[in-house]
Amino acid sequence: AQTVTQSQPEMSVQEAETVTLSCTYDTSESDYYLFWYKQPPSRQMILVIRQEAYKQQNATENRFSVNFQKAAKSFSLKISDSQLGDAAMYFCAYSTPQGGSEKLVFGKGMKLTVNP
Amino acid sequence: KAGVTQTPRYLIKTRGQQVTLSCSPISGHRSVSWYQQTPGQGLQFLFEYFSETQRNKGNFPGRFSGRQFSNSRSEMNVSTLELGDSALYLCASSLSSGRGAYEQYFGPGTRLTVT
Repeated sequence: AQTVTQSQPEMSVQEAETVTLSCTYDTSESDYYLFWYKQPPSRQMILVIRQEAYKQQNATENRFSVNFQKAAKSFSLKISDSQLGDAAMYFCAYSTPQGGSEKLVFGKGMKLTVNP
Repeated sequence: KAGVTQTPRYLIKTRGQQVTLSCSPISGHRSVSWYQQTPGQGLQFLFEYFSETQRNKGNFPGRFSGRQFSNSRSEMNVSTLELGDSALYLCASSLSSGRGAYEQYFGPGTRLTVT
């Protein structure tokens, strides 16, 4: 079974600084997708960034970028120029075409605090 | 475009009762997934429906069931409620390739409290 591990339950960062959130996963599949979702205190989960496993290039979305190490099964999220609005729970998630559905497997999440 | 809506937002039930939660996906989305979120277990996949068919099911007892209607709206039902069913229930919709490739759009959730 696929598993996703986020080993740091909490982190804090100063506004305008950079922070990296770590995630590792375990799978025997070669074709899969990885995601970082953000859940602010209002509770609506939103997608931050997405990576296809077959793409070697790391995904980037504005201040958010990933470091995808397929061999190490590592998928970390870097947030540059942190803003107060980045404070949230961050979940790493995995999905695979195996099974033919949209099922996401989530890590336990990490609470990010941004200090002014 | 309207987002994913879930009703009700909050619910308090007693052990042994049953409950039905509703989810309306984004227009055009045919896949609807349900997740249970608790502090102890995190986010766990309940099931996914696509075109009125259950396409995948998580490791939950048979007390948890769901269905999808022809307009893609979905309901989930929990019978014989237990204290451990207290959780935030999240619904998500997506365009669907069946490959897990697409972004899932989440609703605000239904907070269920079982007393």
